[in-house]
Amino acid sequence: DAKTTQPPSMDCAEGRAANLPCNHSTISGNEYVYWYRQIHSQGPQYIIHGLKNNETNEMASLIITEDRKSSTLILPHATLRDTAVYYCIVRGGTNFGNEKLTFGTGTRLTIIP
Amino acid sequence: EAGVAQSPRYKIIEKRQSVAFWCNPISGHATLYWYQQILGQGPKLLIQFQNNGVVDDSQLPKDRFSAERLKGVDSTLKIQPAKLEDSAVYLCASSSIQGRGEKLFFGSGTQLSVL
Repeated sequence: DAKTTQPPSMDCAEGRAANLPCNHSTISGNEYVYWYRQIHSQGPQYIIHGLKNNETNEMASLIITEDRKSSTLILPHATLRDTAVYYCIVRGGTNFGNEKLTFGTGTRLTIIP
Repeated sequence: EAGVAQSPRYKIIEKRQSVAFWCNPISGHATLYWYQQILGQGPKLLIQFQNNGVVDDSQLPKDRFSAERLKGVDSTLKIQPAKLEDSAVYLCASSSIQGRGEKLFFGSGTQLSVL
């Protein structure tokens, strides 16, 4: 079962920052927070992951609360190509080869022109 | 680098027929996954390989689904016989450990329609 809760859908205006929330209140100390997205008719695409510190890469920023019970994915300047389903996933961090990556139903983000 | 290759892209069969899907992971990736994605749902893990050994196949319907990964590289997923509820996209992914985390790379999937 997925260990995360996400809103089913969100809209964001093109050019604005898209902030996607995720609750993971049962996360344990060695579990990472991962974000993937899935554009229509494609396989999921890795975006970013983190443990407890905020992370930033060329695609997005990940803000994890101090208690690690929730996080926010930020797309700083959303474009139409960012329209996709975004999945927040919690996964163990000790032996990746033996840990499942379990997807929930995600958040359907629509970028409005 | 080349991505995860899957074939065929689409497949239409009748119920009770057999079907096979092929996956070529990214070179050097030890872990390979097969996921099933039914319309409107998130991907569901069917089987996970580490090299050519099975790590997790707890959600694989073993009475009709089988998978193998010969020589720890390419993999095939077979359904025999297919049922209507097997209509879905079948996604293959491979991964590498990168420092503090693992990143999965997915193929574009095979869309299966069972009539």
